[in-house]
Amino acid sequence: EPEVTQTPSHQVTQMGQEVILRCVPISNHLYFYWYRQILGQKVEFLVSFYNNEISEKSEIFDDQFSVERPDGSNFTLKIRSTKLEDSAMYFCASRILFLGGTEAFFGQGTRLTVV
Amino acid sequence: GQQLNQSPQSMFIQEGEDVSMNCTSSSIFNTWLWYKQDPGEGPVLLIALYKAGELTSNGRLTAQFGITRKDSFLNISASIPSDVGIYFCAGRGAMNNNAGNMLTFGGGTRLMVKP
Repeated sequence: EPEVTQTPSHQVTQMGQEVILRCVPISNHLYFYWYRQILGQKVEFLVSFYNNEISEKSEIFDDQFSVERPDGSNFTLKIRSTKLEDSAMYFCASRILFLGGTEAFFGQGTRLTVV
Repeated sequence: GQQLNQSPQSMFIQEGEDVSMNCTSSSIFNTWLWYKQDPGEGPVLLIALYKAGELTSNGRLTAQFGITRKDSFLNISASIPSDVGIYFCAGRGAMNNNAGNMLTFGGGTRLMVKP
């Protein structure tokens, strides 16, 4: 069964450093998402991406965050200068179509720890 | 922003018992989804609901989209040990008419099953 894959599974970084989280969405999917989950809390929407541009973003997704689809297969989330409160599980998701009856598949997540 | 209130926060039940959890919101949602999350994994879709009043089953799981479009419940019948995990409701709001269609997640219900 096709799946969304994320790398690395765990990233530890020093405060102030830049990190790039990588995702390979399911190959024929058109809509891509990043969500995050702070430990023990609910999943929160960060950003959605379609047709090579951001289509929606939340208040969390400030100037420190950016997304890119550099090569037609990868979908990346960059955090320019990490803060302690950026520590969370980051989930990538992809969706084939924007239609009722088709929902996004989530990856297994990248655990980001900022120290 | 839109908020989903999910209850109960946790449940500890005996194997074989039925389980019920629900989500409510002050906002209308066009879509209600129920996910399960195992430790260290991403959310996995269990049931998707697209019409007010819709009642849908997936094996031992049954979920309903409330008539008011502001609530949904998930029932699990005859629970088994592998039902252990965190269950999240998620809604897609009526006002999100763009291609992104972010999901708003509830706080989760942690289910523990005693064999």
